[in-house]
Amino acid sequence: QVYLQESGPGLVKPSETLSLTCTVSGGSVTSGTYYWTWIRQPPGKGLEWIGSISYSGSTNYNPSLKSRVTISVDTSKNQFSLKLRSVTAADTAVYYCARASSDPLDYWGQGTLVTVSS
Amino acid sequence: QSVLTQPPSVSGAPGQRVTISCTGSSSNIGAGYHVHWYQQLPGTAPKLLIYGNTIRPSRVPDRFSGSKSGTSASLAIAGLQAEDEADYYCQSYDSSLSGYVVFGGGTKLTVL
Repeated sequence: QVYLQESGPGLVKPSETLSLTCTVSGGSVTSGTYYWTWIRQPPGKGLEWIGSISYSGSTNYNPSLKSRVTISVDTSKNQFSLKLRSVTAADTAVYYCARASSDPLDYWGQGTLVTVSS
Repeated sequence: QSVLTQPPSVSGAPGQRVTISCTGSSSNIGAGYHVHWYQQLPGTAPKLLIYGNTIRPSRVPDRFSGSKSGTSASLAIAGLQAEDEADYYCQSYDSSLSGYVVFGGGTKLTVL
């Protein structure tokens, strides 16, 4: 069984950088068959894919967020991370990390609410 | 608006069968990309319900089934139960934007 757990500040000020980490247990981020993924869900709204990274560091980002997003992987800690720059209130959401098993997102973290407010 | 289109809501009485549609285009579902479905119970993270258009993980009851045709896909739930009340999302890939992940807007299922 694979477990993913998001961690990071629950409150970020406008114009600052949102930083979250996903810790993976029961599996390895170095597995070549998976893409490690970030998804968000604004309150009361639907799911939005942010981006994905392979163990080798190959990334793919949502074009609407690409200019502000960086996803990285730390194989020594079995973690991957999200940085979203220049946040506004529109970035307030529950942020999920997930594993993409070739195609579907088969394991998800429980999610963490990040509020952008001064 | 979402790349994949779902009805905002559907409802049905216990024991009935309901379907949820997911309509895409020639750059996503119609291009041959698989469709996956997720169930999100209130206050929880989404869970994979159907993958590869029609395949159920072993933990998912056979009351849930998926299908795909052309540029659309559907999720069917037979023998509705109160515990099925949740939000349902379809997901695929889109080749027009560098093959990125796309979701439907979600459908709220109410069990009457």
